[in-house]
Amino acid sequence: AQSVTQLDSHVSVSEGTPVLLRCNYSSSYSPSLFWYVQHPNKGLQLLLKYTSAATLVKGINGFEAEFKKSETSFHLTKPSAHMSDAAEYFCVVSGAPGGSYIPTFGRGTSLIVHP
Amino acid sequence: KAGVTQTPRYLIKTRGQQVTLSCSPISGHRSVSWYQQTPGQGLQFLFEYFSETQRNKGNFPGRFSGRQFSNSRSEMNVSTLELGDSALYLCASSLGTAGTGNTIYFGEGSWLTVV
Repeated sequence: AQSVTQLDSHVSVSEGTPVLLRCNYSSSYSPSLFWYVQHPNKGLQLLLKYTSAATLVKGINGFEAEFKKSETSFHLTKPSAHMSDAAEYFCVVSGAPGGSYIPTFGRGTSLIVHP
Repeated sequence: KAGVTQTPRYLIKTRGQQVTLSCSPISGHRSVSWYQQTPGQGLQFLFEYFSETQRNKGNFPGRFSGRQFSNSRSEMNVSTLELGDSALYLCASSLGTAGTGNTIYFGEGSWLTVV
């Protein structure tokens, strides 16, 4: 079985300050982990993907995430927030063999960026 | 390379009617998965088709059905619409099956309002 928990439903930052969106996962196997972003009235866009090649994963638009197996975490960070980063962010876990083979989505974190 | 295309983007239906939504995957992708997104329930997996065969099904009533054609295009159908079916329906495609760690790419969704 697998599950994913996004620890904050809302995160509010000022433009130019760092962003941290937290995600913890549970999986009996080495999972694949993803972060997606959804802007209003849009579909989900892939930010980055972890597949065990490297624990620090760089994505688009300056985002990166670090896979920490000991903490079962996959937090998303960005050094400096832009107004255009305001959106909903989803952490996704996938790849549990022998199970239902269904990607599991977190409930989402709404990132608010103040000028 | 064209992305995932969903039609129609917006539609309004009356309770008791049925609706069919269409999805064209990225060229070469054989898997199409469908998701329902609502404010209360978040993103929920509906079903997945791979090479015209349903691979997985989420916890939705039988009123929700789908199919995939030989060109990988997919349709989902909801019969006897209820007010609670109002949602954003997202289609996604991937090279391999969605739940085995393959990257899934989303369309922009079909907004369904049931009145």
